[in-house]
Amino acid sequence: SYVLTQPPSVSVAPGQTARITCGGNNIGSKSVHWYHQKPGQAPVLVVYDDSDRPSGIPERFSGSNSGNAATLTISRVEAGDEAGYYCQVWDSTSDHLDVVFGGGTKLTVL
Amino acid sequence: QVQLQESGPGLAKPSQTLSLTCTVSGGSISSGGYFWTWIRQPPGEGLEWIGYIYYSGTTYYNPSLKSRLTISVDTSKNQFSLKLSSVTAADTAVYYCARGRDDYRLPDWGLGTLVTVSS
Repeated sequence: SYVLTQPPSVSVAPGQTARITCGGNNIGSKSVHWYHQKPGQAPVLVVYDDSDRPSGIPERFSGSNSGNAATLTISRVEAGDEAGYYCQVWDSTSDHLDVVFGGGTKLTVL
Repeated sequence: QVQLQESGPGLAKPSQTLSLTCTVSGGSISSGGYFWTWIRQPPGEGLEWIGYIYYSGTTYYNPSLKSRLTISVDTSKNQFSLKLSSVTAADTAVYYCARGRDDYRLPDWGLGTLVTVSS
């Protein structure tokens, strides 16, 4: 089965840029979606199809995807960005058609 | 804006079957271009995909859960359901239902419901 690898934690000071990676074999050939999740709440889609933003998501959130890694970039980080972040793809390379999540990254705003 | 709401018992006994329903409002479950999915999150852990279903009834299950899992859809009630048999404490989690788009993004989620497996 397809595996997505994320760092368990990322820390950044307010106003700085946070980068959260999502590693996977040839992930650049897949569409990557990103979610953030605050404690006690459902996940919220923040980037889809590698780099598009749903309506209502600030331009500070952006994404890229190439080779074996996708990256979610959060510019001018705010205290309210502190949350768990998950990447997700659809894997159709085996005999399954699976939704796959990364293990999640806890973003801490210092 | 579509809304999803999970419902079902918050407690299940070991070896029994966990049953949950997701009620969809603000849109038809029979709309093309979407799939309907269940995802769970054990306390303090990450997200785990359980399975998904199209309104036609076609299903895809997480291979690790497939032998215990049934997902069904009731278009007349605008609902889809989850049944997970032979549960253990490892199945304790917040269970979310969500709507997926044709590129497999998940823009719409329910609030989630905690199911605890305990005797």
